[in-house]
Amino acid sequence: QVPLVQSGAELKKPGSSVKVSCKASGDTFSNYAISWVRQAPGQGLEWLGRIIPASGITNYPQKFKDRVIITADKSTSTIKMTLRSLNYDDTAVYYCTRGPEAMYTNNAPDFWGQGTLVTVSS
Amino acid sequence: DIQMTQSPSSLSASVGDRVTITCRASQSITNYLHWFHQRPGNAPKLLISAVSTLHSGVPSRFSGSGSGTDFTLTISSLQPDDLGTYYCQQTYGSWTFGQGTKLEIK
Repeated sequence: QVPLVQSGAELKKPGSSVKVSCKASGDTFSNYAISWVRQAPGQGLEWLGRIIPASGITNYPQKFKDRVIITADKSTSTIKMTLRSLNYDDTAVYYCTRGPEAMYTNNAPDFWGQGTLVTVSS
Repeated sequence: DIQMTQSPSSLSASVGDRVTITCRASQSITNYLHWFHQRPGNAPKLLISAVSTLHSGVPSRFSGSGSGTDFTLTISSLQPDDLGTYYCQQTYGSWTFGQGTKLEIK
């Protein structure tokens, strides 16, 4: 089983919201934290926040705390990331990745979903 | 936020060469430092965690070293499959990544 499988590409207008899904399999939902990381075209990696699905605890960096909401649905083992007030700069590939539950840790995120392209265009 | 600075931003090397990439943190992150490899069009893959622990299935030609603020990724003998971009990442609280090092094969 692939630990994380993401939803398909999205095309959105500026000012709207997008919701990207990440389905966890095996023990991933119960034993890990799930983070979201994005990569704009030709650019580096940027962390958007995370959730511990077993408890619902979330953490967001200051830059995204007012625009990103991450939720987890135990009934479907699915984690969802909603990004609001989209602008052109939000065009990127969005990845979910599983990692350790602790925030301060020398354990690394060891698996990444396949990525979801979100395009913001009028 | 902790800033991560990688160097060089790009490099070109020949098969068999020894390659070194460095990563510097803006403050001490002890050993909360990891390395990823990304091929074009694919998701990043974990190479090394906690400075020097090779992830399962990663060839032994990859190694990592360092502590505190200065870290190094070394490929002892470059192979064609190693092309792509390499990123360092810190997990000392909010995650941040280096800007990447694009590796090309001559």
